This record gives sequence, C-alpha cells and structure tokens, in this order.
Amino acid sequence: DTAVSQTPKYLVTQMGNDKSIKCEQNLGHDTMYWYKQDSKKFLKIMFSYNNKELIINETVPNRFSPKSPDKAHLNLHINSLELGDSAVYFCASSQSPGQTNNEQFFGPGTRLTVL
Amino acid sequence: AQSVTQLDSQVPVFEEAPVELRCNYSSSVSVYLFWYVQYPNQGLQLLLKYLSGSTLVKGINGFEAEFNKSQTSFHLRKPSVHISDTAEYFCATQGNTGKLIFGQGTTLQVKP
Repeated sequence: DTAVSQTPKYLVTQMGNDKSIKCEQNLGHDTMYWYKQDSKKFLKIMFSYNNKELIINETVPNRFSPKSPDKAHLNLHINSLELGDSAVYFCASSQSPGQTNNEQFFGPGTRLTVL
Repeated sequence: AQSVTQLDSQVPVFEEAPVELRCNYSSSVSVYLFWYVQYPNQGLQLLLKYLSGSTLVKGINGFEAEFNKSQTSFHLRKPSVHISDTAEYFCATQGNTGKLIFGQGTTLQVKP
C-alpha cells in the first residue's frame, strides 16, 4: 500500500533513555515532516526535510535530532528523554513546498510515554 | 505571522442534525487553508482544502467549507452528521516553507 508508515506505534520508556522513531513514505514525495501532538491535542511542527536537507527547525531542544538517510525516510532520535516529551509524534510527507498542490499525508502516529 | 483560531473546543450535536465548525485565519500573504479530521487513535486525514478559485470547497464524507476573505473565515459544514463523524477536527493554514499551522482543534461529538 502507498502510505506513510511509522514504527513503533507505541513506545513506553524511562526518563533519561534514548529512543528513535522511524518514518518511511513510498509516495515519491520530496519533503517530510515531524509534528508533535501534546496531551491537549495541539499539533505543532518540529522539523521538515526537503531532499534530505533540513528546512524547518522550530526551536526544538537539541535532544531531538532528525536524520534523513534518503528522501523516503525521516527518523527522529530523542536523547535523555523527559516526562514532557510524552506525546504523539506524527510523520508526514508532501511534494516540495513551492508546489501549489502541497497536501501533506500523515502517518498513524507514535504514542511516546515517558515514565 | 500566519495563524488559525478554532472558535469552539467542543461541539455536541445530535445525529442527522447539521453542524458548523468555525475557523478564523490571520495572514498577510496568499492563504492556503485546510481541514483535517483525526478519528480516535488514528492519524490525520485531509477533509478538504482551499488553494484558490471557488470559495465553496467540497470535501470527503459530505463536508464542505466556504472561504470568506472579508470575514477571514473558513468554516466547515455538514448538513446531516452521522455517529461515525465523531472525531477531532483541525483547521490549518500553510506557511511558505510548507509547514502546517494548526488551530487548537474542535471535538465533534455526535449523539444518537
């Protein structure tokens, strides 16, 4: 199926640990995003990559490091996890930002719980 | 700076009744507007979008929205809702870097 996929779907971990979330899209898109949805369901952009280059970094702590090995993958690594990192993380992809039809397709989300 | 405001955090409605979810936007540049739906424990799905042209936009599942430049609004409407429409609805605008700027979300609760 053509889609945006994320692994894992659920992630429960202890404070201080390091964890990664993976995202893959097979839509042939050039741009990928990470969004964070907090406990109040508010969605906010974290990062965006276009053809493996970082184009958006929205004042996210340095503990968060995105990595894009190729334009079909955008992984999110989080060091020294804190309680406040508990949230649902969504990956999305789209064509290049400059194109008019720039619909973003979202993955199913990864629910991160930090204990 | 671009932003959107969803005026209602929760909208309860009975099945088969009409519904309107309100969204106002703020932007000094060309406006792209979107409505996304999030069903429980799922990702976001695009309902409809306004990029240019006709101000009345029709989307999936019987939803439509009207772009009103004078009132800076992009309200979502459905003439008759179903139980299955119960979900979280997000209005969003798009910056020139492609990022989506979301409103606070509106919970639509359809009651039998």
